[in-house]
Amino acid sequence: DAGVTQSPTHLIKTRGQQVTLRCSPKSGHDTVSWYQQALGQGPQFIFQYYEEEERQRGNFPDRFSGHQFPNYSSELNVNALLLGDSALYLCASSFPLAGGNSYEQYFGPGTRLTVT
Amino acid sequence: SQELEQSPQSLIVQEGKNLTINCTSSKTLYGLYWYKQKYGEGLIFLMMLQKGGEEKSHEKITAKLDEKKQQSSLHITASQPSHAGIYLCGADSPGSGGYQKVTFGIGTKLQVIP
Repeated sequence: DAGVTQSPTHLIKTRGQQVTLRCSPKSGHDTVSWYQQALGQGPQFIFQYYEEEERQRGNFPDRFSGHQFPNYSSELNVNALLLGDSALYLCASSFPLAGGNSYEQYFGPGTRLTVT
Repeated sequence: SQELEQSPQSLIVQEGKNLTINCTSSKTLYGLYWYKQKYGEGLIFLMMLQKGGEEKSHEKITAKLDEKKQQSSLHITASQPSHAGIYLCGADSPGSGGYQKVTFGIGTKLQVIP
């Protein structure tokens, strides 16, 4: 059973450019969340997709947008890149646990984005 | 917004020693997750705790949730070099529309010296 996969592994972009990161969830998972992890920090929640809709968003500007496809895979798009966008971008997939709102998330290996 | 404080921020132990990592929340914990991360890689799920006083173990790692103290601890017994990495605690925090999102601590970097 393949876990969460992300592509590309590494990416180098220039300030002002746009980037698209991709994520395929674990088999059977219908919810995808994206996180940004700066060096030496914990992951910061960007947004979450379920049934092709963004249903939850963290404190990130509109330059960060996403999409979920019918097969549950997802994309993260970042426009007008800034140096501060350099980070490890993590995708996590999940399904709701019975009886409550808590859910177990499985993370992909991440995409390392460097903005120069 | 909910904040998680982890202590210590870094830890160096001799192989075979026991150690404890703490995670303290600024708000009531509804769901608490522990993850392990190798440098620059994805997070590996360790355990999830939901009920006050709950305790779970996996191999030599035990995690407890003390809901009254808004704190969780992760204990490793007889540490091994394979335990080295960054340990992150994450907490369910209420989001818009009633959906949950996970807030993470900054992490505890563990080194195990052979």
